[in-house]
Formats: sequence, structure tokens, C-alpha cells
Amino acid sequence: QVQLVHSGAEVKKPGASVKVSCKASGYIFSDYYMHWVRQAPGRGLEWMGWINPKNGDTKYAQNFEGRVTMTRDTSISTVYMELRSLRSDDTAIYYCARLSEYWGQGTLVTVSS
Amino acid sequence: SYELTQPPSVSVSPGQTARITCSADALTRQFSYWYQQKPGQAPVLVIFKDTERPSGIPARFSGSTSGRTVTLTIRGVQAEDEADYYCQSVDTSAADFSDTYVVFGGGTKLTVL
Repeated sequence: QVQLVHSGAEVKKPGASVKVSCKASGYIFSDYYMHWVRQAPGRGLEWMGWINPKNGDTKYAQNFEGRVTMTRDTSISTVYMELRSLRSDDTAIYYCARLSEYWGQGTLVTVSS
Repeated sequence: SYELTQPPSVSVSPGQTARITCSADALTRQFSYWYQQKPGQAPVLVIFKDTERPSGIPARFSGSTSGRTVTLTIRGVQAEDEADYYCQSVDTSAADFSDTYVVFGGGTKLTVL
């Protein structure tokens, strides 16, 4: 069965960076794009971008261009999302998702001084 | 990119029919998807490609389209259907996925009275 397993919760200070991982299993990793979606407390879903695991191509939402980098390691079927210059409003749950059917459990990133 | 507009809230009594709309401001509309999200949980796909229902989703959930509006209908609403619902589509100008952005609606809180 398809599983997407996230790395653990993070607490960061403003201005720092965070790198969240998502390990996929149960399917051929390179066959499906992986998306990152975040959800701030009490807010809606916000799409951040996708990565093509086959070749590493990426597409980022305009809101995150220049501040986010998505990468992958095909040897361990894992995708990564790095967000830089963190602000308090980046506090959110960050999900990887093989849209539309499979979502990870999410990683809570808290940005606080 | 374009926007998907949902009503912030919908309220129905148990056994009644709930309809949640999602309007696109794009002239051409791509397939839409609907997710159900309960507190503390990742989103769950309930409708894909406008009208299709994944296995395991009760038949009381259905999707329909009319012009630039898609609608999620829940017939015979049950208390367990109380959740946030999100529509999702894509903004693309490419024949393949290389220039594709994902768009989420703002979400609708369904309250079962």
C-alpha cells in the first residue's frame, strides 16, 4: 500500500531554514510527481509546488519562489522541502502528497523566537 | 494563476442534502477534485475528475459541474460528515505537466446541526 512518511516536528527561529523529508513506499517512486501543501493553524490548504522524482524538475507556487527548494533522493525514495528565511506566519503543517489520492501525515513546523 | 471560490460555511440538518460549490474564474476549467478534512487529520479525497468517487467513499458523496462551477453534494448527511471540504484544480498552459500549478479553494466548513 502507498505510504508517505514525514520527518518529525521542527521548531525554528525567525530567519532560519527548515528541511522536511517525506519517504515514499508502496509504489514506483519515479512514476509520480510529489507535491507539497501547507496548512497554517485554522487556515486552508496552500499548494507550495511539485517535484518530478524522475528528473528532479520542479515547479513552485509564486508565493514561495526564491524561498523554497524541493529535492529528491531516488536511492531512498525520499523527497525534501527546504524553506528559508522563516517567518512566524510560516508556522504550519507541511504535507507531501501524491495528488490527489495519497497524503502524508504532515510535519508541524513552528517558527517562534 | 486563477482562483477557486467556495462559501466559507454550509449548515444542514442530519438526513438533509448539503451542496458545496466551487467557482473558477478561469475561462477554461480543468478537472476538479474534492477533499474532506477532519480536525487533526490529513485531507481525504472524496471526488476526483469532477464526478468520480474513490473506492471506500460512501455513495452519498457525488460531484457535478455546470459551466465554471463544480458542486459537491452530500445526500443524507450524517454527523460524521461534519468537516472542512476543499476543492482543487490545476492551472495549466502546457500539454504535459511541466507548466502546471495546483490551486485549492479556500475551504468550506460543513456543520451538521
